[in-house]
Amino acid sequence: DAKTTQPNSMESNEEEPVHLPCNHSTISGTDYIHWYRQLPSQGPEYVIHGLTSNVNNRMASLAIAEDRKSSTLILHRATLRDAAVYYCILYTRMEYGNKLVFGAGTILRVKS
Amino acid sequence: NAGVTQTPKFRVLKTGQSMTLLCAQDMNHEYMYWYRQDPGMGLRLIHYSVGEGTTAKGEVPDGYNVSRLKKQNFLLGLESAAPSQTSVYFCASSYRAGWGYGYTFGSGTRLTVV
Repeated sequence: DAKTTQPNSMESNEEEPVHLPCNHSTISGTDYIHWYRQLPSQGPEYVIHGLTSNVNNRMASLAIAEDRKSSTLILHRATLRDAAVYYCILYTRMEYGNKLVFGAGTILRVKS
Repeated sequence: NAGVTQTPKFRVLKTGQSMTLLCAQDMNHEYMYWYRQDPGMGLRLIHYSVGEGTTAKGEVPDGYNVSRLKKQNFLLGLESAAPSQTSVYFCASSYRAGWGYGYTFGSGTRLTVV
């Protein structure tokens, strides 16, 4: 599985945008970029995913570099509820035998 | 819309006892997964299934067995529990292979083996 690198932790102020970076310099053409988050004492929650183009949904935006070697998850207005561990994961396109592999993620702290 | 439901939510076992964790999903998803999460280790895949009647080993399968007799259910069994199996267990499901879709996770089962 291709590897991703994320900062161990980040801090943000409430109501401000948050940019969570992820480096994936060994990404291949069939790797999708997935983001999940895990709130305290809960299971992981799907946030967003993309392949080449930037993506937006109701939770966040995903900005993908033109060379695809890095990406950024953008939370437009952080709330206290966004405090969680955020995982950036590369998911290779295969019909069978492939699974989501979690790394350590980034701990996001939100200050009021 | 329940999504993925795990039962029980908490359980304490004595070493050597057996138990089954149940995962049920109501989204008609083909793929289902069992993960465990330990402090400082992140989530690790135990077993997974790509459809009814199929199972496959993940990263840490030893000491566990699984069955997928019905599409909506994925059972994780511990035949002889050991303290090393103390963990939080998460079940997940996805529509097909998951790379083009997201996984939906359950809320977890916290298991303590004493």
